[in-house]
Amino acid sequence: GQNIDQPTEMTATEGAIVQINCTYQTSGFNGLFWYQQHAGEAPTFLSYNVLDGLEEKGRFSSFLSRSKGYSYLLLKELQMKDSASYLCAVMDSNYQLIWGAGTKLIIKP
Amino acid sequence: DTAVSQTPKYLVTQMGNDKSIKCEQNLGHDTMYWYKQDSKKFLKIMFSYNNKELIINETVPNRFSPKSPDKAHLNLHINSLELGDSAVYFCASSLAGGSGANVLTFGAGSRLTVL
Repeated sequence: GQNIDQPTEMTATEGAIVQINCTYQTSGFNGLFWYQQHAGEAPTFLSYNVLDGLEEKGRFSSFLSRSKGYSYLLLKELQMKDSASYLCAVMDSNYQLIWGAGTKLIIKP
Repeated sequence: DTAVSQTPKYLVTQMGNDKSIKCEQNLGHDTMYWYKQDSKKFLKIMFSYNNKELIINETVPNRFSPKSPDKAHLNLHINSLELGDSAVYFCASSLAGGSGANVLTFGAGSRLTVL
């Protein structure tokens, strides 16, 4: 079966760096997405990786290793507004998105 | 201007009732989706339409019926509501379904509570 694993919850301190991991087992691979979802709101797109390596976008970076079925989202200079759930999703060979359950990130002052 | 708008935002109803959720997108996207997010926060695809044509129909009870009058609208009608239908339902749209860099734009969600 298809599976996306990510930690349920993480806690970090304002101003610090946090890495949220995602491992996947899917039927084929057509890219990996990270979405941010604040409580009670809609998910919003953060990043897309289809090739191995690191994609940097401001304070957020996303890394992919296809051979290991692994990705991480790196958040730097954490701000209180970064408290949210972070969803990892993989597009399989049929171009269907398989979603993880999300990692709830709690930022403490 | 709201990109993907869905109504109502909150819906509280009794078991056995029939209800509808409406969705509209003004992004010019070809593909629209309905997702269900339960209390465990898993996002599950229910339906996907590409240019008014059904392309994904996951294992969803046939009490759920999507309708797409045009490519900018995808409504969800639910018959004979059950307690387990309580969830947040998200509408989403994307430029093209069969593409790798297929970024979804979500609506704000409709929280359905069945009593």
